[in-house]
Amino acid sequence: RKEVEQDPGPFNVPEGATVAFNCTYSNSASQSFFWYRQDCRKEPKLLMSVYSSGNEDGRFTAQLNRASQYISLLIRDSKLSDSATYLCAVNNGNAGNMLTFGGGTRLMVKP
Amino acid sequence: DVKVTQSSRYLVKRTGEKVFLECVQDMDHENMFWYRQDPGLGLRLIYFSYDVKMKEKGDIPEGYSVSREKKERFSLILESASTNQTSMYLCASSLTGHTEAFFGQGTRLTVV
Repeated sequence: RKEVEQDPGPFNVPEGATVAFNCTYSNSASQSFFWYRQDCRKEPKLLMSVYSSGNEDGRFTAQLNRASQYISLLIRDSKLSDSATYLCAVNNGNAGNMLTFGGGTRLMVKP
Repeated sequence: DVKVTQSSRYLVKRTGEKVFLECVQDMDHENMFWYRQDPGLGLRLIYFSYDVKMKEKGDIPEGYSVSREKKERFSLILESASTNQTSMYLCASSLTGHTEAFFGQGTRLTVV
């Protein structure tokens, strides 16, 4: 089983839709969680960190469910410009704190 | 703003060559990482370093080595390049183990 797993998609949604992605992780000692956005042929860029209490940034909401070991990203009122690959990243919780990424979920927002 | 700079955007090397990929960060970050990204396989960690001269193997270290002689610089070395090492290589750095990582622009390496 991979340490961090995501549905690769693609998720094809119309503009204005609400879409949610999940990311499961296997290491219960993981302590830090992040969502990144990656555009085609570009480097990943931090979208938001995921806190225990959840956090919201405009149309984006991230949640952490420690009991079930997953994080989620909700995008409301999707825009064409939201089309990208969304990667989750999980700190492995061990000494040295490696950051492990999921394979990414591709989102395509259509007019 | 954090800046992570990789020495080349595109590189073409021959099979058997020794290849050096350089990465420099300007924010005094403790951790530095080398990943490779391939279609369908996502980002896979090759090596990471949490301090000068310290390194840890990631998921796919075979065929690679690294060097961190100075805090700001982390080098990835392909001892003898092979065609299956054709990939996008991404360097990243983070302040601590609990903070987000910032990425360089990536090096697209082709081994022919």
